[in-house]
Amino acid sequence: DIQMTQSPSSVSVSVGDRVTITCRASQGISNHLAWYQQKPGKAPKLLIFAASSLQSGVPSRFSGSGSGTDFTLTISSLQPEDFASYFCQQSERFPLTFGGGTKVEIK
Amino acid sequence: QVQLQESGPGLVKPSQTLTLTCTVSGGSIHSGDFYWSWIRQRPGKDLEWIAYIHYSGMTYFNPSLKSRVAISVDTSKSQFSLKLNSMTAADTAVYYCARNRIIDHSHWFDPWGQGTLVTVSS
Repeated sequence: DIQMTQSPSSVSVSVGDRVTITCRASQGISNHLAWYQQKPGKAPKLLIFAASSLQSGVPSRFSGSGSGTDFTLTISSLQPEDFASYFCQQSERFPLTFGGGTKVEIK
Repeated sequence: QVQLQESGPGLVKPSQTLTLTCTVSGGSIHSGDFYWSWIRQRPGKDLEWIAYIHYSGMTYFNPSLKSRVAISVDTSKSQFSLKLNSMTAADTAVYYCARNRIIDHSHWFDPWGQGTLVTVSS
C-alpha cells in the first residue's frame, strides 16, 4: 500500500495566519492527490482534487500544490470556520489510502 | 444536489455480519461517471477506504478487507449496500458512504454521507 504521511499532526494558529500542511507519499503518485476538511462529528468535505484543482464552492484561500511524492495544502489567511482537521488521499494505486490528518487549532 | 444517507444498526455483536445501506438522492446512481464507495474511520485512526461499486456492478475492494466484504447496488431504489462479516471490536468505526469521481485515473470522494457509528459489542 502507498503510505501517506502528513505533517504536522497538529498546528496552533491565529485567525489571519497562513497555514501550510504537507503530505508525503511513500512512492510517486503523479498528481493523484485530494485534500479534505473534516470538522468534529461531520463527514469530510472535498477541498482539492488532482493535487491543485479547487473544488467548486471552496474559498480561494485554499490552494494545493505538488507532484510526485510531496504535496502541500495552503490556507492563505485562516478564517474562524477553517479550524478543523485536514486529510490527504492518494489514488495512484489501489487501495486508495489517506493520510493521518492534521488538526488546525486555535492558538 | 446529490445527497447520501447511511442506514443500518448502531450496535453489532461480535462474529455477526454488518449490513449498511446508502441511499442516494438528488442525482442518479446510474451515472456512468461515478462510483459509489464505503469508507470507515475507526476511533483515533486514519480514514480507510473499504470498497466501491459502479451501477453496472463493477466492484473494487481494499485487499485488507476483501475476504470479509460484499458490496451491492440496487438501482431501482438508488441504494448501494455494504456487508462486512465476522465483525470484531476492531471494526468499531464511523462508516461513511461517498460518491467516487474518477477523471484521468484520479479518484476523489464527493459528497459524503453524514456517517453512521457502528459499535461492535456483546
